[in-house]
Amino acid sequence: DAKTTQPPSMDCAEGRAANLPCNHSTISGNEYVYWYRQIHSQGPQYIIHGLKNNETNEMASLIITEDRKSSTLILPHATLRDTAVYYCIISGYSTLTFGKGTMLLVSP
Amino acid sequence: DTEVTQTPKHLVMGMTNKKSLKCEQHMGHRAMYWYKQKAKKPPELMFVYSYEKLSINESVPSRFSPECPNSSLLNLHLHALQPEDSALYLCASSQDESGPQPQHFGDGTRLSIL
Repeated sequence: DAKTTQPPSMDCAEGRAANLPCNHSTISGNEYVYWYRQIHSQGPQYIIHGLKNNETNEMASLIITEDRKSSTLILPHATLRDTAVYYCIISGYSTLTFGKGTMLLVSP
Repeated sequence: DTEVTQTPKHLVMGMTNKKSLKCEQHMGHRAMYWYKQKAKKPPELMFVYSYEKLSINESVPSRFSPECPNSSLLNLHLHALQPEDSALYLCASSQDESGPQPQHFGDGTRLSIL
């Protein structure tokens, strides 16, 4: 599976959009971009995934660059409950290899 | 609320004890996973079961013994563990092992080895 690079931490004000970047320059053609998050003391939670096209669901939007070497997860209106570690994972199957992720802190 | 249920939530055991962790899902998923997560680290894959057969063992020591008695249940049998095995043990499931299938995680069993 391709490796990912994410900033170790980010801050966001409550109500503002949170934009979490991920670099995955070695992604291959059949690999998907997955995003999960882990709130303290809970198991990881699936957010969204995509192959080439941008994707949106009730939780977030996923923007993938045309060359697929990077992506951005967008939480449109962050709340305090969105404070968590966000993992960007590249995989061609359902098997996941977690990196260190980004700790997003949403403040009032 | 999570659709993957893990019991117990907390477990303290001595190095000579034998105990089991349990995981249950009723989503009809045919792939189930065990992960280990040390404090302030990301989860690490231990085992994958696909259609009740072990398909991946990530070189896990034999003191951890997985079992999948049916498509809804996954157990992890523990014996002669070491203090460094203290961690959060997470179970997950997905529709099957072929991608892209999102995984659904339980909230884990926090294990402490005395």
